[in-house]
Amino acid sequence: DGGITQSPKYLFRKEGQNVTLSCEQNLNHDAMYWYRQDPGQGLRLIYYSQIVNDFQKGDIAEGYSVSREKKESFPLTVTSAQKNPTAFYLCATQGGTENTIYFGEGSWLTVV
Amino acid sequence: AQSVAQPEDQVNVAEGNPLTVKCTYSVSGNPYLFWYVQYPNRGLQFLLKYITGDNLVKGSYGFEAEFNKSQTSFHLKKPSALVSDSALYFCAVRRRGGATNKLIFGTGTLLAVQP
Repeated sequence: DGGITQSPKYLFRKEGQNVTLSCEQNLNHDAMYWYRQDPGQGLRLIYYSQIVNDFQKGDIAEGYSVSREKKESFPLTVTSAQKNPTAFYLCATQGGTENTIYFGEGSWLTVV
Repeated sequence: AQSVAQPEDQVNVAEGNPLTVKCTYSVSGNPYLFWYVQYPNRGLQFLLKYITGDNLVKGSYGFEAEFNKSQTSFHLKKPSALVSDSALYFCAVRRRGGATNKLIFGTGTLLAVQP
């Protein structure tokens, strides 16, 4: 959605490097999420944050880290401990009266 | 445990014909139900949701979905398919209330509309 900006769209990482994916939103939503999508597969939850300065591990948090210092921003760091990081990463926010989840355009991370 | 099933990995339909993409769920209580569409190399776009009321929900791009409580299903439908509808479709459910509002996704169904 237009209110969620993910950058960069494409990122290449060398073995042993940490990389950070940016997610910024102007929807004034409290909750933010990071999902991983492998080609031809569904979504898996990495981390989520219900409010500023708080975040929780999802189903596949190992090798990833996040921060939530501002309401608008929820960056995801893919560390060298993540052994298979090549994937499509999706950031999402949650808000509205029925707490609908809205997604950014995604970021491709490839290990070279 | 909560779960969402999309039993078909792929659905093939001819342009102009009606389409159905199936979704069943296992969630306690009356969940919120959602459909999303994903085009290649793009994020998921929200299509429609069921919260309460009429079991037939209308959404974007002419899509609709029918909530069936007894069958715990929320199938996505469109009366006349377009080639541009070809994409990956995800069903999702979220339990009302509870400690978190996490969304549970199905594995996705690839819709292929042939000209």
